[in-house]
Amino acid sequence: QKEVEQNSGPLSVPEGAIASLNCTYSDRGSQSFFWYRQYSGKSPELIMSIYSNGDKEDGRFTAQLNKASQYVSLLIRDSQPSDSATYLCAVGLSGYSTLTFGKGTMLLVSP
Amino acid sequence: GAGVSQSPSNKVTEKGKDVELRCDPISGHTALYWYRQSLGQGLEFLIYFQGNSAPDKSGLPSDRFSAERTGGSVSTLTIQRTQQEDSAVYLCASSNRDRDTQYFGPGTRLTVL
Repeated sequence: QKEVEQNSGPLSVPEGAIASLNCTYSDRGSQSFFWYRQYSGKSPELIMSIYSNGDKEDGRFTAQLNKASQYVSLLIRDSQPSDSATYLCAVGLSGYSTLTFGKGTMLLVSP
Repeated sequence: GAGVSQSPSNKVTEKGKDVELRCDPISGHTALYWYRQSLGQGLEFLIYFQGNSAPDKSGLPSDRFSAERTGGSVSTLTIQRTQQEDSAVYLCASSNRDRDTQYFGPGTRLTVL
């Protein structure tokens, strides 16, 4: 049974701070890792994908992957109130596979 | 380019009626996925299509649920004899050959009275 675990939150951070979102997964064969953002009442939108150990940066977002520890994280620098949303971690075994989604972490950024 | 589209955006039906939900994936995407999301819950995988075939139907919750995909493009999710517990947002996603990044449609909100 593939499992993806996330703290449900809410994670509250002040505007301008760094938000750190964490995710662990159970299947060591996992090869692809994604972070999606979901605003209330909307569908998930892709933020980042990462496939190799280490860090991947895209603007204010940095994804970090540690396959040995089965851990993936998302850092959001200079958090903005518009970043307030639920962040979903998703893990896949290989191309064309289904993804297993975590239940998401709610992030609240206060002005 | 156009993203994943779904119709209808909202559907209200009476218990026991059948409903059909439609998904039009991104052009050229060969993989298509159906999920549902109940209020405040995570994404629940329903079914996955590769082309017109469905190698993974493991998430369909009962035999009242079925899905088909024709021409490697549009997919229809059918729920027969709807029950109140079927009320949820039904999301469709598609991905292409190179990566398994999934792109989601706006969803269909189904309410069963």
